[in-house]
Amino acid sequence: AQSVTQPDIHITVSEGASLELRCNYSYGATPYLFWYVQSPGQGLQLLLKYFSGDTLVQGIKGFEAEFKRSQSSFNLRKPSVHWSDAAEYFCAVGGNYGGSQGNLIFGKGTKLSVKP
Amino acid sequence: SQTIHQWPATLVQPVGSPLSLECTVEGTSNPNLYWYRQAAGRGLQLLFYSVGIGQISSEVPQNLSASRPQDRQFILSSKKLLLSDSGFYLCACDRGGGTDTQYFGPGTRLTVL
Repeated sequence: AQSVTQPDIHITVSEGASLELRCNYSYGATPYLFWYVQSPGQGLQLLLKYFSGDTLVQGIKGFEAEFKRSQSSFNLRKPSVHWSDAAEYFCAVGGNYGGSQGNLIFGKGTKLSVKP
Repeated sequence: SQTIHQWPATLVQPVGSPLSLECTVEGTSNPNLYWYRQAAGRGLQLLFYSVGIGQISSEVPQNLSASRPQDRQFILSSKKLLLSDSGFYLCACDRGGGTDTQYFGPGTRLTVL
């Protein structure tokens, strides 16, 4: 079955420290992978996406993610976290179902807290 | 680029009352439209999607329904709300083709008392 696992429910890092949020997926075809960020009470904003090509993708706000097919992972990284990065992060997988719609499967999210 | 509006932003309703949440999209035509519900600690659950006017697919059986009366309008409804309908409702759209990025609206916080 198709699924996305974000093993860390809550992570706390110090401001200026590096960050890695984990995402593992199970998908029967070539996956399209996404990371979204959600601030409290807000909608989801796309950080980055991977469809094909270079497995290291750059996103907004200094985030990057690396697709590792052998590990079925798409971990999100940032070299130096800022207090404004405190939010909830969602990994999602989707693909071409051969139709018009592109349903996404979301992980349950990782909440990031940033210590001053 | 597309912009998604959701109305209202917050809503408190008694059990058994009706519901109507509205989503409108600007900046694109013929979008695919989606309704998600987000409950604490449970991620996003896809409720409905639509690939065109009057075309609605339901992912989860429940007491909610959706309609798409116009190309860029998507409505989530209920005749009688349950306590379990409380949550954060998100509308999303993409341009279709099965591989496009989904963009999300600001959401509606629904509390059923």
